Amino acid sequence: EAGVTQSPRYAVLQEGQAVSFWCDPISGHDTLYWYQQPRDQGPQLLVYFRDEAVIDNSQLPSDRFSAVRPKGTNSTLKIQSAKQGDTATYLCASSFPLGVEQYFGPGTRLTVL
Amino acid sequence: GDSVTQTEGLVTLTEGLPVMLNCTYQSTYSPFLFWYVQHLNEAPKLLLKSFTDNKRPEHQGFHATLHKSSSSFHLQKSSAQLSDSALYYCALSENQGGSAKLIFGEGTKLTVSS
Repeated sequence: EAGVTQSPRYAVLQEGQAVSFWCDPISGHDTLYWYQQPRDQGPQLLVYFRDEAVIDNSQLPSDRFSAVRPKGTNSTLKIQSAKQGDTATYLCASSFPLGVEQYFGPGTRLTVL
Repeated sequence: GDSVTQTEGLVTLTEGLPVMLNCTYQSTYSPFLFWYVQHLNEAPKLLLKSFTDNKRPEHQGFHATLHKSSSSFHLQKSSAQLSDSALYYCALSENQGGSAKLIFGEGTKLTVSS
């Protein structure tokens, strides 16, 4: 069974540039999570979806970050105008309906210069 | 709010010695507790999950016991191996109303040397 896939694996930007990250969850998983993991820190939730609906986006910096999951399958996380403080690994995870176990993708490592 | 505390940022051991990584938590509810392991440049992978019936989960020689009285879920292994070197994260999930977010601790880097 294929795991969670993410692309790109790496991105390097100048401040002010935009970037999008893409995530394909495990088939049959209705819940999708985006986490931000700064270097040497634990992952921190940004937003999560159940099907196409946003359940919690309270930690998503809404002025520059956006996330969508239009058909309840794949998801895109976008940073409109990146800052150096956004340098981190962005992890996508998914889980079964009502499941507590989350399965993580390989992540996208973002460096903002 | 809910939180997870891992007191050791770095643990260095010699192969064959026992491993114990500390994890304590604060939660309004009775959460599920997890240990995730993350090797260099890889995604976090689930190592252990607490059971609701007080069974002790075990995997790859690691085990952890949920102690609600002390709000702890320490990770243990009787004999460290070189391949155990990695980042270990303790996390909790409230699982209220279905799927729920994970709250992670800061992580403990375990380095095992020969």
